[in-house]
Amino acid sequence: NSKVIQTPRYLVKGQGQKAKMRCIPEKGHPVVFWYQQNKNNEFKFLINFQNQEVLQQIDMTEKRFSAECPSNSPCSLEIQSSEAGDSALYLCASSLGGRANTGQLYFGEGSKLTVL
Amino acid sequence: GDSVTQTEGLVTLTKGLPVMLNCTYQTTYSPFLFWYVQHLNEAPKLLLKSSTDNKRTEHQGFYATLHKSSSSFHLQKSSVQLSDSALYFCALSEGSFNKLTFGAGTRLAVCP
Repeated sequence: NSKVIQTPRYLVKGQGQKAKMRCIPEKGHPVVFWYQQNKNNEFKFLINFQNQEVLQQIDMTEKRFSAECPSNSPCSLEIQSSEAGDSALYLCASSLGGRANTGQLYFGEGSKLTVL
Repeated sequence: GDSVTQTEGLVTLTKGLPVMLNCTYQTTYSPFLFWYVQHLNEAPKLLLKSSTDNKRTEHQGFYATLHKSSSSFHLQKSSVQLSDSALYFCALSEGSFNKLTFGAGTRLAVCP
């Protein structure tokens, strides 16, 4: 079973509504990623953090999407105004970081967003 | 930018047969290559990784060799099982905290 915990597993929103997803990374993992997996199973990178600091993010994340990883609290990804095209599985992953652990991501089971 | 190409969208095989899933990549950096597997309604999991040219890496019966000369990291197994039915993603990273770039994925369906 995944040690990266994502909640909720499913959420349904109307267009224009906020949608918020949370992620508890694996214990001791300072690096957290958010990916969007669409209905064709394609992955799109959204943002990553090391501890509370943003490392990289795409333009989409900078506009309608917001994300944070506060200390001693779950990480979160929020869509301010949901659109139909946002319907997807949102995957959180964590990593130990460092060159030796490059690319070794531990994924949660995801939060499936449906925008009506 | 970085890219990963998986040419097969769906591979259907009878159990016991060998399989090869293709993966090629483009990057200007020294690459780290990965295979992730995602079973239905489950989290993606790391299957294999490599950054060493021409060295075979193996795990759970699957194996792959990174060939930098041809920019390839094909996934193979000599005898597939029903439990191998899943989505397989090839992915590329160029360094420590950088994001993984995933291929489009190949669905492997193993029939009795």
